[in-house]
Amino acid sequence: KAGVTQTPRYLIKTRGQQVTLSCSPISGHRSVSWYQQTPGQGLQFLFEYFSETQRNKGNFPGRFSGRQFSNSRSEMNVSTLELGDSALYLCASSSRPGGSYEQYFGPGTRLTVT
Amino acid sequence: TQLLEQSPQFLSIQEGENLTVYCNSSSVFSSLQWYRQEPGEGPVLLVTVVTGGEVKKLKRLTFQFGDARKDSSLHITAAQPGDTGLYLCAGANDYKLSFGAGTTVTVRA
Repeated sequence: KAGVTQTPRYLIKTRGQQVTLSCSPISGHRSVSWYQQTPGQGLQFLFEYFSETQRNKGNFPGRFSGRQFSNSRSEMNVSTLELGDSALYLCASSSRPGGSYEQYFGPGTRLTVT
Repeated sequence: TQLLEQSPQFLSIQEGENLTVYCNSSSVFSSLQWYRQEPGEGPVLLVTVVTGGEVKKLKRLTFQFGDARKDSSLHITAAQPGDTGLYLCAGANDYKLSFGAGTTVTVRA
């Protein structure tokens, strides 16, 4: 079974720009969660999508948004980038929604904002 | 402020030594998960503990879940260089996983 894939793996953007990250879950998984990982804050939950609906959202500004398609692939968008948005963005897929079921993480997208 | 506090933050030991990582919280979780993350990769699930007082063993790794389901520990016996990585604990509820800041473990050959 293929694992979770994320594209692109690396991205460099300038302040004020916007960016879209993509995540393809494991086949058959309908839940996709997104996390931001930084050295200072660790792994912080952004949001979870299940069957194209956002189930839960973390404490991030509205510049962070996402969506999920009918094939369970998910995208995350960050608008008006700030230097503090530089981070590793991880997505995780699961067969069921919520945190209690095993989550499989992708390798992440390393975003650098200059 | 982290919902789960991990200690120590860094741990450097010689091959063959034992180590313990702690994960504490004031909240009760339905389950607690332990992950290991290597540079350039996403976290990989090691174990899920569900029942208070539960002990799980995976080869040289022993995981304990506190009776009150608020704390957990990871013990590695006879550590090897391949155990090097970032160890993360995560508390689960119906909505999400909340991660600790992680413990960076370095095992020197």
